[in-house]
Amino acid sequence: GAVVSQHPSRVICKSGTSVKIECRSLDFQATTMFWYRQFPKQSLMLMATSNEGSKATYEQGVEKDKFLINHASLTLSTLTVTSAHPEDSSFYICSAGPLKGQTYEQYFGPGTRLTVT
Amino acid sequence: GQSLEQPSEVTAVEGAIVQINCTYQTSGFYGLSWYQQHDGGAPTFLSYNALDGLEETGRFSSFLSRSDSYGYLLLQELQMKDSASYFCAVSKGTALIFGKGTTLSVSS
Repeated sequence: GAVVSQHPSRVICKSGTSVKIECRSLDFQATTMFWYRQFPKQSLMLMATSNEGSKATYEQGVEKDKFLINHASLTLSTLTVTSAHPEDSSFYICSAGPLKGQTYEQYFGPGTRLTVT
Repeated sequence: GQSLEQPSEVTAVEGAIVQINCTYQTSGFYGLSWYQQHDGGAPTFLSYNALDGLEETGRFSSFLSRSDSYGYLLLQELQMKDSASYFCAVSKGTALIFGKGTTLSVSS
């Protein structure tokens, strides 16, 4: 159990366009999901906390108008990269958890590799 | 804020034992987690320590000293498949703040 999926796994888009990434919890409900960004050979940087039915909480330095997060249901959060530029090219990973009754374990999606040309 | 320090690279041979250290600074401590990530893959949970001491899970063990703001991950009987990046992380609410990661290379 506790599977998180992401779609798409890879996407290439042109500069100036927008890209939507979906994160789904497949076998559990997630009132909170998290979005991370990871550059090659670097750490995962927390971008924002996605809360079901309310606004996302963004980390300092993350542009909320550029990275739109919507958590419309207990199993789906979406990250939209608006007006993408080459510097937005990165590996985007979502996570959810902990499960009810737990306190710490996060379950990560397989990630989405975004390339902006 | 939170910050975590861990070595950037570690190399070892099959069958050996490796220890990956992590020191942290955080306002409010709720526990230290360890995650493994293979190249291009999703991080997977390895271990968690909320209290001082050693937690053992198969070939992997994790240790925490809250007074020293220090922990480590111990990997025993290394296998080639253990070649990956290992991240320590502290909690920020229920989100995680990760260290920069340690790349472990296991050779035969």
